[in-house]
Amino acid sequence: EIVLTQSPDFQSVTPKEKVTITCRASQSIGSNLHWYQQKPDQSPKLLIKYASQSFSGVPSRFSGSGSGTDFTLTINSLEAEDAATYYCHQSSRLPHTFGQGTKVEIK
Amino acid sequence: EVQLVESGGGLVQPGGSLRLSCAASGFTFSSYEMNWVRQAPGKGLEWVSYIGSSGTTIFYADSVQGRFTISRDNARNSLYLQMNSLRAEDTAVYYCARDYSSSSGRVFDCWGQGTLVTVSS
Repeated sequence: EIVLTQSPDFQSVTPKEKVTITCRASQSIGSNLHWYQQKPDQSPKLLIKYASQSFSGVPSRFSGSGSGTDFTLTINSLEAEDAATYYCHQSSRLPHTFGQGTKVEIK
Repeated sequence: EVQLVESGGGLVQPGGSLRLSCAASGFTFSSYEMNWVRQAPGKGLEWVSYIGSSGTTIFYADSVQGRFTISRDNARNSLYLQMNSLRAEDTAVYYCARDYSSSSGRVFDCWGQGTLVTVSS
């Protein structure tokens, strides 16, 4: 099973600040890495697919990068509505696995 | 609008059974592979099961293999999860998720709102 490790687990950020979340895979997964946003009492929503492709309708302040084992989700100029938990997900091989999540709080 | 709506969750005793449903609309259900993903209270996401578009290819997580059965009815635009021999650790919100596959790979591009399953005596 491919293990995904996110860091940090928690981040408290001021609006307009830049946020960087990393996801490291236990083995190479190419670009089969996706990022989801989950707000309290809501289902996950796709933000970034295949490491760096923005999903339809997602604000341009969200971007992704990386390949192989190391990936990054960046939120430029954080807004209050971005308070959520962010998960990475690998679809390179079964079983699908997810990172443990990074909770982003607005100061 | 693409929509997935789960139902069938509830309180069940350990060892009991439950059948979840996921009603799809707004897209050609029979053309898409589907998954179940669960989330225990206050915890992260765990993939549970996959089914191909025709229903002939199926995979399960080790944690549910032999206890859960995924199925679909393309005529009814519906996905199902039959859960038997339920345990306390199966307590979670269960989401159905559409599997979008392309030459780039596959991604869960649309999720339902989830249905809560609580296993407790």
